[in-house]
Amino acid sequence: QSVLTQPPSASGTPGQRVTISCSGSSSNIGSNTVNWYQQLPGTAPKLLIYNNNQRPSGVPDRFSGSKSGTSASLAISGLQSEDEADYYCAAWDDSLNGPVFGGGTKLTVL
Amino acid sequence: QVQLQESGPGLVKSSETLSLTCTVSGGSVSSGSYYWSWIRQPPGKGLEWIGYIYYRGSTNYNPSLKSRVTISVDTSKNQFSLKLSSVTAVDTAVYYCARVEYHHAFDLWGQGTMVTVSS
Repeated sequence: QSVLTQPPSASGTPGQRVTISCSGSSSNIGSNTVNWYQQLPGTAPKLLIYNNNQRPSGVPDRFSGSKSGTSASLAISGLQSEDEADYYCAAWDDSLNGPVFGGGTKLTVL
Repeated sequence: QVQLQESGPGLVKSSETLSLTCTVSGGSVSSGSYYWSWIRQPPGKGLEWIGYIYYRGSTNYNPSLKSRVTISVDTSKNQFSLKLSSVTAVDTAVYYCARVEYHHAFDLWGQGTMVTVSS
């Protein structure tokens, strides 16, 4: 059971906009920033969004993040086949005194 | 560019100690701007933070693993290491080393190494 809650799956067709939610509590998302990771099949995770809505260099602006209260969302616009991957949210948890992850969302591009 | 590479045995016997090393190339583990971390992922499951270390040696561990984990750093070799004692089958996972930046984001990852615990 992960500390942060994500839907196990999401899907969309090419060109669509999809969103992935991440729900937490006051000890993590409610008081700290959220980061998102993309894990392509058979590869290591890659930082996609940091500090709630910042993109590292090289990440397309099709990817965006937002946070409100104890929840966060990742939005992917102009969905492409290469976006098919697992997506994880993460945040520092003040109770754990360490980072916690969501269980991951498997995105399928139909 | 900075790269991380895990190394160590892919098979560990139950009750023994898992030992892995992460070598940092193209950069320095002594950079004061980052922490260095270990994360694992059991087959078909999600990510679990194990712990991290600063180059001066201060550490922070996941409470669920704290009694069995030791993370150390060797600045002369530009490496940091993980030891996990008394392993069981539930410790079977891909183990990643990663760099941690200011926002607690893991901004650089190694390719990961699969460790299987056998009975």
